[in-house]
Amino acid sequence: DTGVSQDPRHKITKRGQNVTFRCDPISEHNRLYWYRQTLGQGPEFLTYFQNEAQLEKSRLLSDRFSAERPKGSFSTLEIQRTEQGDSAMYLCASSSLAVSQPQHFGDGTRLSIL
Amino acid sequence: DQQVKQNSPSLSVQEGRISILNCDYTNSMFDYFLWYKKYPAEGPTFLISISSIKDKNEDGRFTVFLNKSAKHLSLHIVPSQPGDSAVYFCAASLGGDDKIIFGKGTRLHILP
Repeated sequence: DTGVSQDPRHKITKRGQNVTFRCDPISEHNRLYWYRQTLGQGPEFLTYFQNEAQLEKSRLLSDRFSAERPKGSFSTLEIQRTEQGDSAMYLCASSSLAVSQPQHFGDGTRLSIL
Repeated sequence: DQQVKQNSPSLSVQEGRISILNCDYTNSMFDYFLWYKKYPAEGPTFLISISSIKDKNEDGRFTVFLNKSAKHLSLHIVPSQPGDSAVYFCAASLGGDDKIIFGKGTRLHILP
């Protein structure tokens, strides 16, 4: 099963440290999305790539956050100088270019800031 | 402000009966609606979707109904099974390739 893969599954770090997460989308999917989910909420959109181009960023994505998809395949999400409020589940999703195709999600990376 | 609202945080249904999960939205420009199911420690799993040009879409035990005039959609599961116990997210987008706006979810408990 070549679904969306995220690494690591869990990350515990001290406040102020930098962290990087990786997402490997379904291989034939051109679109890749990052979402963040906190307790009791639905996932919230962060940013979106079509191939290697980052097409949209949410205002939730402060300047401490950066995402890349250098070759249009896997993507990384980096958070610099982590804060307590960054503790959340970070979800990656991918979809094909065909019209109205659903996004398929990975199992997420849970970030805990000590 | 919540553009997609799921007003019932939880719902309990007897096994074998119909489960009905409701969702309201505020943005009349949404034209693609989805339901996702989520188990603990897993990502959301796509369940069923509907385009705004339709009012009903069916896939096995799952049917989604869309009432555009009321800005309301619902997910019917019949018959309900124990494995249906999960959190269900209603979601919407402006075009099928755009970001998804999620509701807060409804936790469904299927009772034996």
